[in-house]
Amino acid sequence: QKEVEQDPGPLSVPEGAIVSLNCTYSNSAFQYFMWYRQYSRKGPELLMYTYSSGNKEDGRFTAQVDKSSKYISLFIRDSQPSDSATYLCAMSTNTGNQFYFGTGTSLTVIP
Amino acid sequence: EAGVAQSPRYKIIEKRQSVAFWCNPISGHATLYWYQQILGQGPKLLIQFQNNGVVDDSQLPKDRFSAERLKGVDSTLKIQPAKLEDSAVYLCASSLQGAWNTEAFFGQGTRLTVV
Repeated sequence: QKEVEQDPGPLSVPEGAIVSLNCTYSNSAFQYFMWYRQYSRKGPELLMYTYSSGNKEDGRFTAQVDKSSKYISLFIRDSQPSDSATYLCAMSTNTGNQFYFGTGTSLTVIP
Repeated sequence: EAGVAQSPRYKIIEKRQSVAFWCNPISGHATLYWYQQILGQGPKLLIQFQNNGVVDDSQLPKDRFSAERLKGVDSTLKIQPAKLEDSAVYLCASSLQGAWNTEAFFGQGTRLTVV
């Protein structure tokens, strides 16, 4: 079993839709959770991060962590064509030696 | 603040040839990572340095891959000899200190095609 599982998609939505991206994980020691956005032919860039459980909102983006279910989500409201990218979840433990990445979900927002 | 610099951006080589990639992390970042990202997959850690010491190289195919960070700043990753399955994007990333409560900044990557 992989440490982090993520549905690769692809996911295609109309402009303005609400998008839900999800990851599950198996290591209960993960406490720091991140979402990276990767445009085609670019390196990943950090979008949001959360520590432990709870929600965090930043503009149109909301990150949720449910540690009891080992499940994290990223919601994008009012999706825009510029949101078209691959979204990678990543996580680390409090010993913090490395990041564990999901496989990424490819998102296309159609104008 | 300058980002993580990588070169070259693209490289095409024949199988069994050797290739080297270079990475200059963000100034002051103690931790440097090399990731391999195969098309359609997430980044896979190859090696992690803390300053000039290796923290984790458990997934580095040591029979053909090597990496060094001699002065604790920039780093090189070498493949010798290359195989077809090494075709991927090689991403370098750096962070201030480890992976706890901090952000990894990525370079644009080197896209390697082995033919």
